[in-house]
Amino acid sequence: AQTVTQSQPEMSVQEAETVTLSCTYDTSESNYYLFWYKQPPSRQMILVIRQEAYKQQNATENRFSVNFQKAAKSFSLKISDSQLGDTAMYFCAYDAGGTSYGKLTFGQGTILTVHP
Amino acid sequence: DARVTQTPRHKVTEMGQEVTMRCQPILGHNTVFWYRQTMMQGLELLAYFRNRAPLDDSGMPKDRFSAEMPDATLATLKIQPSEPRDSAVYFCASGGSFYEQYFGPGTRLTVT
Repeated sequence: AQTVTQSQPEMSVQEAETVTLSCTYDTSESNYYLFWYKQPPSRQMILVIRQEAYKQQNATENRFSVNFQKAAKSFSLKISDSQLGDTAMYFCAYDAGGTSYGKLTFGQGTILTVHP
Repeated sequence: DARVTQTPRHKVTEMGQEVTMRCQPILGHNTVFWYRQTMMQGLELLAYFRNRAPLDDSGMPKDRFSAEMPDATLATLKIQPSEPRDSAVYFCASGGSFYEQYFGPGTRLTVT
């Protein structure tokens, strides 16, 4: 079974600084999908960024970027120029794709606090 | 502004009562998911549908939970009878392209 591990229960960062959240996963698949979701205090789950395993280029969405290391099964999220609104729980998620696409396996989450 | 809607947002009920949660997926999305979030277990997939057909409900306690999708605009999750251990936030999500899922705001269920 696939597992997703986020080893940092909590992180904090000063406003305008950069922070990196870690995620590792275990899979025997070669083609799959990885995601970072954000859950602010409102509880709404918000998709932050997506990475297809067959793409070597790291995904980027504005201030959010990933460092995808396929061989190491590592998928970290970098948040640049952190803002107070980035304070949230961040979840890494894995989708095996194929016929079972959509079945997300989530990590335990990392609580990120951005301080003014 | 397309979004997933869920009702009710909050539900408090007594043990043994039936609970029905409803979800309206984003128009045009063909996949609907039900998740449960608790402090202890985190986010768990309960069931999901594709083109209204149930694909996988292995995460759902079969004896008391049931999920249906009577039409393309409505998915339901029922618990009968409810128990205190069912207290959680229940999320519905709908799937668009590129394997992305868009979540609703959740239903916070408290069973006393």
